[in-house]
Amino acid sequence: SQTIHQWPATLVQPVGSPLSLECTVEGTSNPNLYWYRQAAGRGLQLLFYSVGIGQISSEVPQNLSASRPQDRQFILSSKKLLLSDSGFYLCASDRISYTFGSGTRLTVV
Amino acid sequence: GQNIDQPTEMTATEGAIVQINCTYQTSGFNGLFWYQQHAGEAPTFLSYNVLDGLEEKGRFSSFLSRSKGYSYLLLKELQMKDSASYLCAVKDFGNEKLTFGTGTRLTIIP
Repeated sequence: SQTIHQWPATLVQPVGSPLSLECTVEGTSNPNLYWYRQAAGRGLQLLFYSVGIGQISSEVPQNLSASRPQDRQFILSSKKLLLSDSGFYLCASDRISYTFGSGTRLTVV
Repeated sequence: GQNIDQPTEMTATEGAIVQINCTYQTSGFNGLFWYQQHAGEAPTFLSYNVLDGLEEKGRFSSFLSRSKGYSYLLLKELQMKDSASYLCAVKDFGNEKLTFGTGTRLTIIP
């Protein structure tokens, strides 16, 4: 079965600082990978998805970017964080059914 | 695009039964998922329906009517640990993306 690793679990970053969140997948190959964000008290919003190495689709215009340097690695980045970037970030893979990583809670201060 | 509606909050009593409804509008339906999410944690998969009818898995069942754009999640013999948010999500033909509703926060009371 597939396992998704996400780190860090929590992060507090100042406004204007860079961001890098990493997601790696085990137990499957060539998965579709997704980054979601969940703001406090709100639903899951799809940010990016990738169907393969170097292939990234953005769902909403924003201050973030994503990259997929390897088949099982998906990275979410920002050059300068905004207060509105705070939220719970979840990586997901859908090789069989949608499986989520444990998430990163980001607070921008 | 997709429109997914589910109640924001529900309360039920320990040992009872509760039904959480979800309605959706989509251009090309290709499956409906239910997830459970405890506060501060990631969602975990509960059920998947792609054909009409009832799927049963232990205390949880999920029903789908494609013609009505309607699904429900039924939880039986409620336990305190069932207090969580329940997310309805729909997948469209032609892509693998899931679109989520805003979730129903279920509170179980003794």
